[in-house]
Amino acid sequence: AQSVTQLGSHVSVSEGALVLLRCNYSSSVPPYLFWYVQYPNQGLQLLLKYTSAATLVKGINGFEAEFKKSETSFHLTKPSAHMSDAAEYFCAVSEWTDKLIFGTGTRLQVFP
Amino acid sequence: NAGVTQTPKFQVLKTGQSMTLQCAQDMNHNSMYWYRQDPGMGLRLIYYSASEGTTDKGEVPNGYNVSRLNKREFSLRLESAAPSQTSVYFCATGPGLITDTQYFGPGTRLTVL
Repeated sequence: AQSVTQLGSHVSVSEGALVLLRCNYSSSVPPYLFWYVQYPNQGLQLLLKYTSAATLVKGINGFEAEFKKSETSFHLTKPSAHMSDAAEYFCAVSEWTDKLIFGTGTRLQVFP
Repeated sequence: NAGVTQTPKFQVLKTGQSMTLQCAQDMNHNSMYWYRQDPGMGLRLIYYSASEGTTDKGEVPNGYNVSRLNKREFSLRLESAAPSQTSVYFCATGPGLITDTQYFGPGTRLTVL
């Protein structure tokens, strides 16, 4: 059965520092993978998605993620954090249908 | 163009009361979804509708019913609310393909006392 694991429920970085949010997946077939972001008191919006084209996927707001089949990972990175990046980030997987399985989320705090 | 709208934004119920959460979309999407979000558990799918007139259970359907009234609207009903249903509920829509983005509403925060 498909699933995703997000390591670290909270991540804190200084403004300007590298952001790394981890996501590992479990799937019996090549999956499709998504990162969504949730700003306070809002719904989720798509950051980026992997749909088996390029393994390095670029998203909005300077975020990118690399699909690594050998490591079953899809970690999210941003070279330089901004205060406005503070939010909760969710990794999600879809396998056979358009139904998504979400990870438990990682809350990113950015300190000045 | 409002995208995905949900009503109400907040609701407090007593145990045993019933209520219906409403969701409407103007994106002409086929698929609609209801999720609940609980701390430390991410989002879990409650019910799903691939098209008007069809619905399917998700991961946590117990205690809920849904109705896909037409292509635009998908409602979630709690017949007899329980404290375990205290949560934030999100409606989402999408074209319906496995690679498609889902678009989320702003959520309904429900408290059951």
